[in-house]
Amino acid sequence: QKEVEQDPGPLSVPEGAIVSLNCTYSNSAFQYFMWYRQYSRKGPELLMYTYSSGNKEDGRFTAQVDKSSKYISLFIRDSQPSDSATYLCAMSAGGSYIPTFGRGTSLIVHP
Amino acid sequence: GAVVSQHPSWVICKSGTSVKIECRSLDFQATTMFWYRQFPKQSLMLMATSNEGSKATYEQGVEKDKFLINHASLTLSTLTVTSAHPEDSSFYICSARRRGRAEAFFGQGTRLTVV
Repeated sequence: QKEVEQDPGPLSVPEGAIVSLNCTYSNSAFQYFMWYRQYSRKGPELLMYTYSSGNKEDGRFTAQVDKSSKYISLFIRDSQPSDSATYLCAMSAGGSYIPTFGRGTSLIVHP
Repeated sequence: GAVVSQHPSWVICKSGTSVKIECRSLDFQATTMFWYRQFPKQSLMLMATSNEGSKATYEQGVEKDKFLINHASLTLSTLTVTSAHPEDSSFYICSARRRGRAEAFFGQGTRLTVV
């Protein structure tokens, strides 16, 4: 079992839909949780960063962390075709802060 | 957000030559930099972690004599692919983080093609 599990998709939704992206993990030492967006042939862009459990909102994006279930989510409201990309979750423990990445979920938002 | 600049964005080189890729943090001091390799439609594969002023720590299976990493300052790390071969063709990406912070910021990536 991988430390971080993420469904690769693709996930196809109509424009305007609410998108839910998820990751599960097995390492209880993880405390820092990140979501990145990666367009084709580009480096990943940090979207959200959360420490420990709870919710964080930034514009159309909401990140949720449930440490008791070892489950994190990213919600995208009012999705746009420009949101079409691969979304990577990442998490790390304190100390080395070396991130462990999920394999990424490909999202397609069609007009 | 913090800016990480990676250069070049793409490079073509002949088999047997060496290629250097630069990664710079433009507006923060990067105490740690990571180097990744990414194959098409796959996730990031961590190659090595470098801390400023220290030797890089390579992941298992990564040849340290082939992939030379230098992190000489708090804003610059370089990856040199020595004696490149076609199988080294890939997308290489760096990321950088500040001391005491978990989130890392990525460069734009470098597409290396060895012919």
